[in-house]
Amino acid sequence: GESVGLHLPTLSVQEGDNSIINCAYSNSASDYFIWYKQESGKGPQFIIDIRSNMDKRQGQRVTVLLNKTVKHLSLQIAATQPGDSAVYFCVVGGAAGNKLTFGGGTRVLVKP
Amino acid sequence: NAGVMQNPRHLVRRRGQEARLRCSPMKGHSHVYWYRQLPEEGLKFMVYLQKENIIDESGMPKERFSAEFPKEGPSILRIQQVVRGDSAAYFCASSPGRSVEQYFGPGTRLTVT
Repeated sequence: GESVGLHLPTLSVQEGDNSIINCAYSNSASDYFIWYKQESGKGPQFIIDIRSNMDKRQGQRVTVLLNKTVKHLSLQIAATQPGDSAVYFCVVGGAAGNKLTFGGGTRVLVKP
Repeated sequence: NAGVMQNPRHLVRRRGQEARLRCSPMKGHSHVYWYRQLPEEGLKFMVYLQKENIIDESGMPKERFSAEFPKEGPSILRIQQVVRGDSAAYFCASSPGRSVEQYFGPGTRLTVT
């Protein structure tokens, strides 16, 4: 079955610095790779996704990189802000897209 | 445009009772998903529904759990004869079509005493 793992449980970042969150996945058949953010007491919030036929995608202050050779996914956040403090989940979507498999999460703490 | 609504936000049940969790998707969304989250863990997929149809229930426990999304009204996740291991946060998400971009509600935190 699919499994998604994260390298670091907690990441402390100085406000204004860039953040990088890494993730490893196991299922080569996965078609979608997604990052969700969850703030305390709230439901997850979609950040960005990337299809398996791409290796890089950029959004507003975020970049997702996909390396299928080593089954590695990363999220880069530019100029990290206090509002970026949250748990970030690496998520894998199946070929149909709808069923999401969540990893264990990385907590990002932004220091002022 | 209201987001995904879930109620109740907190639910306490004694072992053996029934729990009913409700989810109203965003306006215009006909696809609903239920996930369960244990403390300090990621969400686990339970079931995917469209109006009046269960599309994928591969994550649902075989017994005591059921879900529906009727033609009118909210989606309901029903847990019969709850046990302590059912204590978790249950999140509902919706989307306008089959999509990885799902909009999550605030969750229902179920505590079984």
